[in-house]
Amino acid sequence: GAGVSQSPRYKVAKRGQDVALRCDPISGHVSLFWYQQALGQGPEFLTYFQNEAQLDKSGLPSDRFFAERPEGSVSTLKIQRTQQEDSAVYLCASSLASEGTGELFFGEGSRLTVL
Amino acid sequence: AQRVTQPEKLLSVFKGAPVELKCNYSYSGSPELFWYVQYSRQRLQLLLRHISRESIKGFTADLNKGETSFHLKKPFAQEEDSAMYYCALSGGSYIPTFGRGTSLIVHP
Repeated sequence: GAGVSQSPRYKVAKRGQDVALRCDPISGHVSLFWYQQALGQGPEFLTYFQNEAQLDKSGLPSDRFFAERPEGSVSTLKIQRTQQEDSAVYLCASSLASEGTGELFFGEGSRLTVL
Repeated sequence: AQRVTQPEKLLSVFKGAPVELKCNYSYSGSPELFWYVQYSRQRLQLLLRHISRESIKGFTADLNKGETSFHLKKPFAQEEDSAMYYCALSGGSYIPTFGRGTSLIVHP
């Protein structure tokens, strides 16, 4: 593809529902990052994958958040039992570099609204 | 811990005026610093990185380790520069940390 693709672009969930957000990185990119961006704030780190290995998940706010990248390509961020405070834009970024020193290529984001 | 501070949420200037978007960082080692930009209805994208030492769209940024700053500058702002600008730091953990962003508005 031409760039990082995220779906869905918009998701409205009722409190307590589970949601799954998908990220399709640029082909061949080793690193994949998930960020959470609340309104008026900068992107906050959630988790990092190098190929299929989740090397850092220190930013996940609770055990309701889970991410995977089983084949080292597409990644899914799952949020269980959504709460209103989970409302945010979830950004996925990929990089050719094996560490975060390279340029990050971002998707357009998935905007989650929890009612 | 690494931290990025962008003190201004909003910067408003007139076309042709100089622009300086401030970025201060906190990191004890050798940082890798970046500026990312998000134009209206577009995705976040890299503007420049300090190791490249290049000027992009007339913007430059110099790393000042003494002041732990990486301010973004442009001598003459253009209307098309209006956007959100984010400073980012990659330190020892190699996980890029972003500031909260500065909204630049350039008036005609």
